[in-house]
Amino acid sequence: DTAVSQTPKYLVTQMGNDKSIKCEQNLGHDTMYWYKQDSKKFLKIMFSYNNKELIINETVPNRFSPKSPDKAHLNLHINSLELGDSAVYFCASSRGRGYTFGSGTRLTVV
Amino acid sequence: SQQGEEDPQALSIQEGENATMNCSYKTSINNLQWYRQNSGRGLVHLILIRSNEREKHSGRLRVTLDTSKKSSSLLITASRAADTASYFCATDEGGSNYQLIWGAGTKLIIKP
Repeated sequence: DTAVSQTPKYLVTQMGNDKSIKCEQNLGHDTMYWYKQDSKKFLKIMFSYNNKELIINETVPNRFSPKSPDKAHLNLHINSLELGDSAVYFCASSRGRGYTFGSGTRLTVV
Repeated sequence: SQQGEEDPQALSIQEGENATMNCSYKTSINNLQWYRQNSGRGLVHLILIRSNEREKHSGRLRVTLDTSKKSSSLLITASRAADTASYFCATDEGGSNYQLIWGAGTKLIIKP
C-alpha cells in the first residue's frame, strides 16, 4: 500500500555509466516531481510533470532526462554519470498543496 | 530555486521540553508548509498554513505565520525521542505550488 515508491533504494555505479530510477504513485495525484538532496540536505527541484506534461525543468544537465509514460509514473534516466551526481534523489507527487514523497534513492557514483 | 531560511540549523533538547523552529521567506506567499524528514527517509507533510491564517494546530504541533515579518514558527510541545528528525519549511513564493521554495532545514535531536 506504498503511496510513492521509487526503486532502487540504493544505487552504486561507476562514472560514465547510464542508470535509471523509477517512481510510481498510487494516490491518483496529477503532478509528480524529482528532487535532488545534497549532502547538506538542501532540496533542489529538478523536474515536475503535470498530467504527463513537463511543467518545470530546472537548470540541470541534459544528461538527466525524465520520462512520464502515464500519470502514475515518472522515471529519471541519467546518462554519463559523474561524481557530482552522487546524492539522494526523491520522487514526490501532489494533488493540491501537500506533497507526498518517496523514500529516496541514494546514488553513489564511484 | 532559491532557498528559504530556517533557524536554528540544529537544535538539541531534552525529552519532554518544547522545541521551536523558525522559517523566513522573502516575498509574498499563498501558503507555507512544514515537513519532517527522518534519517534516511523521505519527507512527510506535517501541516499547511494559508497566508490568511495566523496559527494552526495539529496534535502536539503548533504553527504560526506572521506575514508582516515573512516568518513562520513550528512548535513541538512535550517532545519525544521519535521527534528526532530534520524539519523543513516550504513556501509557494515562487508563484506556483508546483515549485516550492524550501528552507535548509533544522536538525532536531531529542535526548532521552
